Amino acid sequence: GQNIDQPTEMTATEGAIVQINCTYQTSGFNGLFWYQQHAGEAPTFLSYNVLDGLEEKGRFSSFLSRSKGYSYLLLKELQMKDSASYLCAAPPYGQNFVFGPGTRLSVLP
Amino acid sequence: DAGVTQSPTHLIKTRGQHVTLRCSPISGHKSVSWYQQVLGQGPQFIFQYYEKEERGRGNFPDRFSARQFPNYSSELNVNALLLGDSALYLCASSLDPGAYEQYFGPGTRLTVT
Repeated sequence: GQNIDQPTEMTATEGAIVQINCTYQTSGFNGLFWYQQHAGEAPTFLSYNVLDGLEEKGRFSSFLSRSKGYSYLLLKELQMKDSASYLCAAPPYGQNFVFGPGTRLSVLP
Repeated sequence: DAGVTQSPTHLIKTRGQHVTLRCSPISGHKSVSWYQQVLGQGPQFIFQYYEKEERGRGNFPDRFSARQFPNYSSELNVNALLLGDSALYLCASSLDPGAYEQYFGPGTRLTVT
């Protein structure tokens, strides 16, 4: 089975750094994905980690620890447009995407 | 190049009716997946199709069915609609079932009254 947990809501200030955590339990593993979803829109791909460590992509970075079943998404220099839901997904190997409940991030001026 | 397209954008149906939602994948993508997203929750996997064959099915009742056509477009059908079927239905395409990156369409907002 698959169980993914994320905080429901987070609030941060424009220009700050925020870390969104994701923990997962799975019988298999095929990488850890992060998606961004603005209200009323489709999810868009942010990052994919299959090996332990930090993957950096501009203002966004994603970290994975397979032994701990833990990942985080780090957003730097927050902008108002970063207000969105952030979805963590950890599909078991050979199976289909299972998304976490999502973390709704509000960026305040 | 066009992204994933879905139709209709919005739909209002009555309990007991049936609905057909449509999806066209990105050109060259042969795999299509369907997800249901209830407000405030993450997407829940319904089906995956590849080369017109069902490759995966989520924990949804038999009222939900789908198919994929030779041009790789897909339809999701839901019969005997319930109020709880009200959700955003998302279609995602990928090159094949093993491709890690999925591209989502804008979704169809279904409201059941």
